[in-house]
Amino acid sequence: DSGVTQTPKHLITATGQRVTLRCSPRSGDLSVYWYQQSLDQGLQFLIQYYNGEERAKGNILERFSAQQFPDLHSELNLSSLELGDSALYFCASSERGTGQYEQYFGPGTRLTVT
Amino acid sequence: AQTVTQSQPEMSVQEAETVTLSCTYDTSENNYYLFWYKQPPSRQMILVIRQEAYKQQNATENRFSVNFQKAAKSFSLKISDSQLGDTAMYFCAFMKHVEGKLIFGQGTELSVKP
Repeated sequence: DSGVTQTPKHLITATGQRVTLRCSPRSGDLSVYWYQQSLDQGLQFLIQYYNGEERAKGNILERFSAQQFPDLHSELNLSSLELGDSALYFCASSERGTGQYEQYFGPGTRLTVT
Repeated sequence: AQTVTQSQPEMSVQEAETVTLSCTYDTSENNYYLFWYKQPPSRQMILVIRQEAYKQQNATENRFSVNFQKAAKSFSLKISDSQLGDTAMYFCAFMKHVEGKLIFGQGTELSVKP
């Protein structure tokens, strides 16, 4: 158990809908990262937050947005869902936001868009 | 932009034998970190080993060791005394020193056979 929690574990929804994925980082970790794992794109970095502020952006679609709240939990919002958004979404956290701090991954949320 | 390449999509090894997984990367950075992550069928991402680019000594963690060749931009993982529980997808990843985002390779699926 990494100490990072993600809810829900599984999510099935229809095209065009909007969903919210939630992540609680390990106690004391200030930085949260979101990654997407799909068959065709592999594992891709989406976005990073550090202590409530956006720190870095990767290949995140405009239909996707995220935020980190004062209690440091984070939410990833996916809207106007398409079939191609079906993927495993991971959240990871680290103590700080730079390379010397290990990232701990949550168990992931499996999103299926039908 | 940094890229990570794993040229072996699949590998297999007999239990108790040794196997080496290959990884090459491309970067113009001098300070960075390299990682091997394991993803078993449970889909949990587990850090196997980590290497700081400024360290010449190769990292080791029990049965896992790396061969880090900075000039050649090569970072291979050696698993000794392979166990059935080592069966998993293995991802090589790169991270700049000043950033937190991980850049992953496409993965190598390792099967350990009894």
